[in-house]
Amino acid sequence: DAKTTQPPSMDCAEGRAANLPCNHSTISGNEYVYWYRQIHSQGPQYIIHGLKNNETNEMASLIITEDRKSSTLILPHATLRDTAVYYCIVRVGDALNFGKGTSLLVTP
Amino acid sequence: DAGVIQSPRHEVTEMGQEVTLRCKPISGHDYLFWYRQTMMRGLELLIYFNNNVPIDDSGMPEDRFSAKMPNASFSTLKIQPSEPRDSAVYFCASSFGGAGVYGYTFGSGTRLTVV
Repeated sequence: DAKTTQPPSMDCAEGRAANLPCNHSTISGNEYVYWYRQIHSQGPQYIIHGLKNNETNEMASLIITEDRKSSTLILPHATLRDTAVYYCIVRVGDALNFGKGTSLLVTP
Repeated sequence: DAGVIQSPRHEVTEMGQEVTLRCKPISGHDYLFWYRQTMMRGLELLIYFNNNVPIDDSGMPEDRFSAKMPNASFSTLKIQPSEPRDSAVYFCASSFGGAGVYGYTFGSGTRLTVV
């Protein structure tokens, strides 16, 4: 699977949009981009995934660049409960390998 | 649906003892994954099953670890003998169709402490 690079930590003010970047420059054509988050002491939670097109669901939006070498997860109106570690994963096949992720702190 | 159910939530055991962790996946899911999480190594995939058959166990650290899935509704991860370095949170996850359209659903984890 392609390697991903994420900043180790980010801050965001409550109510503002949180934009979490991920670089995956070695991604191949059939590899999907997945995003999960893990709130302290809980199991990871699926957020969203995509292949080429931008995706949106009730939790977040996923923007994938045209060359697919990077993506951004957008939480449009961050709340304190969005404080978590966010994982960007590129995979082909059935299993997901989690990296270090980005620790997002949402502040009042 | 009750989600993925893991038991016990916490386990404290002495070095050398056998430890068995249990997982009940979501009904209808055909994939089951075992992960281990530590501060040093993060989330590591240990093994996964498809339709109760082990597909990839390359993440199992050594022969002391074994996992079984006797039926679609139950899986165990066993450590025998346990060592202090096995202390970690162990997560079970299930999914329909691999990484799939809906992603994995994780359980709440078992926090294992080996003293």
